[in-house]
Amino acid sequence: AQSVAQPEDQVNVAEGNPLTVKCTYSVSGNPYLFWYVQYPNRGLQFLLKYITGDNLVKGSYGFEAEFNKSQTSFHLKKPSALVSDSALYFCAVRDGRNTPLVFGKGTRLSVIA
Amino acid sequence: EADIYQTPRYLVIGTGKKITLECSQTMGHDKMYWYQQDPGMELHLIHYSYGVNSTEKGDLSSESTVSRIRTEHFPLTLESARPSHTSQYLCASSELELQNTEAFFGQGTRLTVV
Repeated sequence: AQSVAQPEDQVNVAEGNPLTVKCTYSVSGNPYLFWYVQYPNRGLQFLLKYITGDNLVKGSYGFEAEFNKSQTSFHLKKPSALVSDSALYFCAVRDGRNTPLVFGKGTRLSVIA
Repeated sequence: EADIYQTPRYLVIGTGKKITLECSQTMGHDKMYWYQQDPGMELHLIHYSYGVNSTEKGDLSSESTVSRIRTEHFPLTLESARPSHTSQYLCASSELELQNTEAFFGQGTRLTVV
């Protein structure tokens, strides 16, 4: 069975500092990995995905994520955080078969001015 | 902006009432999903569909039911609403043949049962 772990419920970072939101996964085959962001009272917005190829994936709003197969991780990063990045972030995985996305429990990012 | 729509956005309803949450997408996606999410909490898959006349139960047991009579439409029904059904319900869709594509989400329906 596939699963996703986001070990941090909350991440606090000062505006302008780099941010990292952690995600580890477990799948039986090749992983397809995704990051989504959710603002209050909204649905989820797609940020980026890893399918194959370059381990560093670039996405929307200056976010990027690094796929690490040996550590089974897909951490979300941004070089310089903005207050407007404050939101709930979800990591998700699919194992390549025709199965629904499995989401982590989410990490709340708070960027302080 | 993804073309997937949920109505209503907010609903307050009394216990025992029957309700249907609507979800429609104009992207021609075969796969559709319903997730339940308590505010600021994790998502739980409650139903999904691979196409017309296909419906499957998700990981979280739910008293709701779904139907998929048309590709673009995936409504969720509660026959008798209870306060324990108070939650946010998110609908999503994705392509069937391309397993590496992302899912697109609607804005959600926030349901309150009083």
